[in-house]
Amino acid sequence: EIVLTQSPGTLSLSPGERATLSCRASQSVSSSYLAWHQQKPGQAPRLLIYGASSRATGIPDRFSGSGSGTDFTLTIRRLEPEDFAVYYCQQYGTSTNTFGQGTKVEIK
Amino acid sequence: VQLVQSGAEVKKPGASVKVSCKASGYTFTTKYLHWVRQAPGQGLEWMGILNPSDGSITYARRFQGRVALTRDTSTSTVYMELSSLTSEDSAVYYCLVVSYAWGQGTLVTVSS
Repeated sequence: EIVLTQSPGTLSLSPGERATLSCRASQSVSSSYLAWHQQKPGQAPRLLIYGASSRATGIPDRFSGSGSGTDFTLTIRRLEPEDFAVYYCQQYGTSTNTFGQGTKVEIK
Repeated sequence: VQLVQSGAEVKKPGASVKVSCKASGYTFTTKYLHWVRQAPGQGLEWMGILNPSDGSITYARRFQGRVALTRDTSTSTVYMELSSLTSEDSAVYYCLVVSYAWGQGTLVTVSS
């Protein structure tokens, strides 16, 4: 089973700043089958990125995903107030998928 | 694309629960469908995946023998049944099509 480790656990930033979230896999993720999801309190998660770098429908272009192999990054170019949330990475390249433990992006 | 799940459930320990996820807005048989759960205050936990095209399934090891995924291609619906429920199964259960969307979630409460 591939273990995904997200860092940092919490990111304290101000609106307008750039956020860089990391997701490291214990083994190479096949064909960049890596997704990023956003979750706000009391809401279902929302798909942001799939295939490591493809934005889902309706996702603003301030969100971007990059990386391959074992190291992946989600970048939020300029934080908007609605971007403060918990972010999860997910690998779906093996028959048994896994999620990272999440990174909370909070207002500084 | 929409994934619409069935409503909240309250079950007693030892019982089973069956949650549905109805897909629309895309060709049902072309995308794998995942089930994920989230216990209160916890992260996301992957449970299993079903290929609607041929019905093939993979379950997470910790749920093997206790979870069953099925599909009805005539209604574009996938079902997740979890048996031998305990209080630790109290959670919100989601369906997910990676590259498209999440379902809205189904709260399952296990309580005597």
